Amino acid sequence: EDKVVQSPLSLVVHEGDTVTLNCSYEVTNFRSLLWYKQEKKAPTFLFMLTSSGIEKKSGRLSSILDKKELFSILNITATQTGDSAVYLCAVYSGNTPLVFGKGTRLSVIA
Amino acid sequence: DAMVIQNPRYQVTQFGKPVTLSCSQTLNHNVMYWYQQKSSQAPKLLFHYYDKDFNNEADTPDNFQSRRPNTSFCFLDIRSPGLGDAAMYLCATSRDGAQETQYFGPGTRLLVL
Repeated sequence: EDKVVQSPLSLVVHEGDTVTLNCSYEVTNFRSLLWYKQEKKAPTFLFMLTSSGIEKKSGRLSSILDKKELFSILNITATQTGDSAVYLCAVYSGNTPLVFGKGTRLSVIA
Repeated sequence: DAMVIQNPRYQVTQFGKPVTLSCSQTLNHNVMYWYQQKSSQAPKLLFHYYDKDFNNEADTPDNFQSRRPNTSFCFLDIRSPGLGDAAMYLCATSRDGAQETQYFGPGTRLLVL
């Protein structure tokens, strides 16, 4: 059974801190890994990763995939209160549309 | 702007009273998905349509049905809602089966009294 595990489940940091969120997976026929940010509404797409070692970057957020060790990390530098959200990792295996992890709840306090 | 639209945003129904949630998209995507998300849990896929081909997840209860009358619209019917069906229902689309990136609508929060 395909599985996606995120850690930590929750995290509290101060504004300006750098955080690293982890996502490990066990899937057959891996195709891609996706990161989403979910505030109070629906998830919004952040990154899609398909190749190992290539960093994707968007402002203060960056992510990288390691297909050998079967994990990905999402980094957020200089965190702001607006970064407070649940960050979801999902993997596409070609067998089922997306398998989601349970998410990491990030709280950034001023 | 091209987008995924869900109506209503909030729905209150009574135990056992059928309810229909709707989703429309202007992205012209081939694939549409329905997810159920309960508090503090990951979205759980209920079913998806690849064009007109319906794909039901094995553990989706029979109480949940879906219709896709055309490319733009997809409906989720809950025939006899129970208290355990109270959740956020998310609709998502992707361009095709090989285009993994899914774009989500704002969701419909269902409350069952």
